[in-house]
Amino acid sequence: NAGVTQTPKFQVLKTGQSMTLQCAQDMNHEYMSWYRQDPGMGLRLIHYSVGAGITDQGEVPNGYNVSRSTTEDFPLRLLSAAPSQTSVYFCASSSPGPASLVFHFGNGTRLTVT
Amino acid sequence: AQRVTQPEKLLSVFKGAPVELKCNYSYSGSPELFWYVQYSRQRLQLLLRHISRESIKGFTADLNKGETSFHLKKPFAQEEDSAMYYCALGGYNTDKLIFGTGTRLQVFP
Repeated sequence: NAGVTQTPKFQVLKTGQSMTLQCAQDMNHEYMSWYRQDPGMGLRLIHYSVGAGITDQGEVPNGYNVSRSTTEDFPLRLLSAAPSQTSVYFCASSSPGPASLVFHFGNGTRLTVT
Repeated sequence: AQRVTQPEKLLSVFKGAPVELKCNYSYSGSPELFWYVQYSRQRLQLLLRHISRESIKGFTADLNKGETSFHLKKPFAQEEDSAMYYCALGGYNTDKLIFGTGTRLQVFP
């Protein structure tokens, strides 16, 4: 059982380049979300989704796009990377009901923008 | 608005000493509080949640609605407790889980 899988693990981009961070889960979780982790700032919510076809903004959505075409996948797109987006990105999922908000996290993607 | 405050960036103790990691929250609805832990080179994982009212790895946390706090406590710290600890806030009328800035716990032998 893979849980939450993020790819790639590491990525270096130049300013202005675009890329997609992949996130997939095999637990049939309705809820998925993306966070960025920065020193001294903790984890900040970028975007989240409560189910296929539904997405919403978190605390720091600017510069990022998401879509949720399937229950399993929740990719995060950077259309024009900026140095301020250098961070570690975590994807998380959870099921609705009594276990909701008990998140399962991926291993993270470390992104550097030069 | 949801807000979580963890005032300590770093907490250093010796093995066997008591530990208290502080967490305060702000939320207008009925809160759900969690503690997540990230050990070195491991993914973030749930440590405990307030509605479970259980002790995990010797850690406990009590929700104090009057003081809007959810401090994490352990009477006798172990070296393997060294990790990054995050307090997180959700609620029954929100889909968001908001994290604090984290506290790094270092337990020295």
